[in-house]
Amino acid sequence: GESVGLHLPTLSVQEGDNSIINCAYSNSASDYFIWYKQESGKGPQFIIDIRSNMDKRQGQRVTVLLNKTVKHLSLQIAATQPGDSAVYFCAGSGGSNYKLTFGKGTLLTVNP
Amino acid sequence: DTEVTQTPKHLVMGMTNKKSLKCEQHMGHRAMYWYKQKAKKPPELMFVYSYEKLSINESVPSRFSPECPNSSLLNLHLHALQPEDSALYLCASSQGAVDRGGGYTFGSGTRLTVV
Repeated sequence: GESVGLHLPTLSVQEGDNSIINCAYSNSASDYFIWYKQESGKGPQFIIDIRSNMDKRQGQRVTVLLNKTVKHLSLQIAATQPGDSAVYFCAGSGGSNYKLTFGKGTLLTVNP
Repeated sequence: DTEVTQTPKHLVMGMTNKKSLKCEQHMGHRAMYWYKQKAKKPPELMFVYSYEKLSINESVPSRFSPECPNSSLLNLHLHALQPEDSALYLCASSQGAVDRGGGYTFGSGTRLTVV
């Protein structure tokens, strides 16, 4: 099955800096990945997704990179803002078309 | 409407009570999900409904009973819960298979406390 995990449980950055959140996965059959943001008291919010036939995908201030060779993906947030403070989860699907397996999460704290 | 609405937002129940969690979406999504999230942990899948049929049960104890009355509604019936079942219960929906794109849309959850 899918197993998704994160390298760092917490990340603290200064406002305006770029943030990089990492995630490793174990199932080489995983073909679709999503990054979610979860603020306190709220459900996870979709940020960006990427398919396994892509290496990079960009959104507004966010970029996801996928390295299938080492089974690693990352979320880059440009010009991090206090409103970006949240827990970030990577999630992957593989084996089941409806099941997403979530990684452990990284708490991002943005210092003003 | 691009939201998943969950009620109630907070629920406190005794171990002998019967209660229900409700979830509603009007995005035309044909798959709906229940996830359980303990504090500082990732969401864990409980149930998946696809086209109103239960397609995945992640070996959830029978004290949790899901129901999908129609394509817009999803319920989770609770009976004889234990204190360790206290958690945030998240409902989510998707257009179809998750890898069609866009992932899930989550509700804000029901914070359940079992006393």
